[in-house]
Amino acid sequence: DADVTQTPRNRITKTGKRIMLECSQTKGHDRMYWYRQDPGLGLRLIYYSFDVKDINKGEISDGYSVSRQAQAKFSLSLESAIPNQTALYFCATSDSGEPGLGETQYFGPGTRLLVL
Amino acid sequence: KNQVEQSPQSLIILEGKNCTLQCNYTVSPFSNLRWYKQDTGRGPVSLTIMTFSENTKSNGRYTATLDADTKQSSLHITASQLSDSASYICVVSENYGGSQGNLIFGKGTKLSVKP
Repeated sequence: DADVTQTPRNRITKTGKRIMLECSQTKGHDRMYWYRQDPGLGLRLIYYSFDVKDINKGEISDGYSVSRQAQAKFSLSLESAIPNQTALYFCATSDSGEPGLGETQYFGPGTRLLVL
Repeated sequence: KNQVEQSPQSLIILEGKNCTLQCNYTVSPFSNLRWYKQDTGRGPVSLTIMTFSENTKSNGRYTATLDADTKQSSLHITASQLSDSASYICVVSENYGGSQGNLIFGKGTKLSVKP
C-alpha cells in the first residue's frame, strides 16, 4: 500500500464551486505539506503543518485553506474555485530529518484538478 | 532572491547513452541539495541528498556532484534506460539557524530516453 495517498486523483469542477482534496499518510510523520505544480513552473508551497495544532501559510496560500484533522490527515480546500487554480496538486510528508541532512519529503501521487 | 535554475529544460537521448543535468542556485545560507525524480503522473521521489561538505553522491546509475563554491550541482546518469524518462528536479534548502529552512524548487529537466 502507498505510504501517502491522495483523493481524488482527478477532479473536474466549475468556477465558484467548493472542493476539498484529501491526503492521508501511514508513515507516522508529523510534517505535512500541500504543493501545486503548473507546467513550466516548479513546485510551489501552498500550506504546511508541523503537527496537528500547527498550520502555516506557504508561498501561494491565497484562495486556499487547509485542515489538519489528525496526524495522518491533511486536507486542502478551494472555497470558490477559479480557472487559474487548474493544476496538479501534491501532498507531501516528512519527519524532522537527520541532523545536518535535513528532511526528505515523501510525495503522494497527485490530484489533477481542472476548473472550468 | 533565492533561486534554483536548471538546464536544459528538456533533453532527448538514446538508450544506453550517458547524460548530465545541471542545477545552479543562489540560495543562501545553504543547508542541503536534493535531486528528485518525477515519473509522469506521479509524485517526486528523492534520489540523492548532499550537504555543504559533500561533493559527490551516487545512487546506482545516478551520480550527483556539488560545488558549493560556485553554487552548482549536476546529476549524471550512466547507461540510460527507458525507465529513466522522467522529470528531474533540483531542490535546495536554506539553512535556518542550523536547521533546514525553506525548500527552493527548480523547474525541472524533462528527460526522454528513446530506444
